[in-house]
Amino acid sequence: EPEVTQTPSHQVTQMGQEVILRCVPISNHLYFYWYRQILGQKVEFLVSFYNNEISEKSEIFDDQFSVERPDGSNFTLKIRSTKLEDSAMYFCASTRERGADSPLHFGNGTRLTVT
Amino acid sequence: QKEVEQDPGPLSVPEGAIVSLNCTYSNSAFQYFMWYRQYSRKGPELLMYTYSSGNKEDGRFTAQVDKSSKYISLFIRDSQPSDSATYLCAMRRGPGTASKLTFGTGTRLQVTL
Repeated sequence: EPEVTQTPSHQVTQMGQEVILRCVPISNHLYFYWYRQILGQKVEFLVSFYNNEISEKSEIFDDQFSVERPDGSNFTLKIRSTKLEDSAMYFCASTRERGADSPLHFGNGTRLTVT
Repeated sequence: QKEVEQDPGPLSVPEGAIVSLNCTYSNSAFQYFMWYRQYSRKGPELLMYTYSSGNKEDGRFTAQVDKSSKYISLFIRDSQPSDSATYLCAMRRGPGTASKLTFGTGTRLQVTL
């Protein structure tokens, strides 16, 4: 069964450094998402992306965050200047259609540790 | 009041038991309700999806939605040790509006031999 692939599985970085988290969504999917889960807390929406632009973003997704689909297969999340509170699991998800009845398929996440 | 509330557990049951997992929510705009299963160090995996009030059954899993009470449930029959995981409820508003999912905190389930 096709799946969403995320790399790396674990990223350690120093505060203030830039990180790029990478995702390969399912090949025929058109809508892409990033969610994050701080340890012990709920999964939170960050951003949705369609047709090479952001569809919606949460208040968490401030100017330090950006997303890009640099080619036909990858979808990236960049954090420009990481903070300690950015430490979390970051999940990429994709769906074929935007409709509310279209299920999201999640990757296994990248654990980001900011020291 | 949190938008979605879910008892974090842990919930420990013997193999073969019926498990009941629940979420309550405050936003009456939610129309689509999902249950995800999350194993340790893995991403959420969709288990059940329901629209509006009613029941949906899939194998050992039954999802119930009661919109009048703003209450959703997931029942697992004949629970197995492989069902040990964290179960997340999630919900979203109707089509044409925000596509984001709002999650509960998850309930950790342990099925023992």
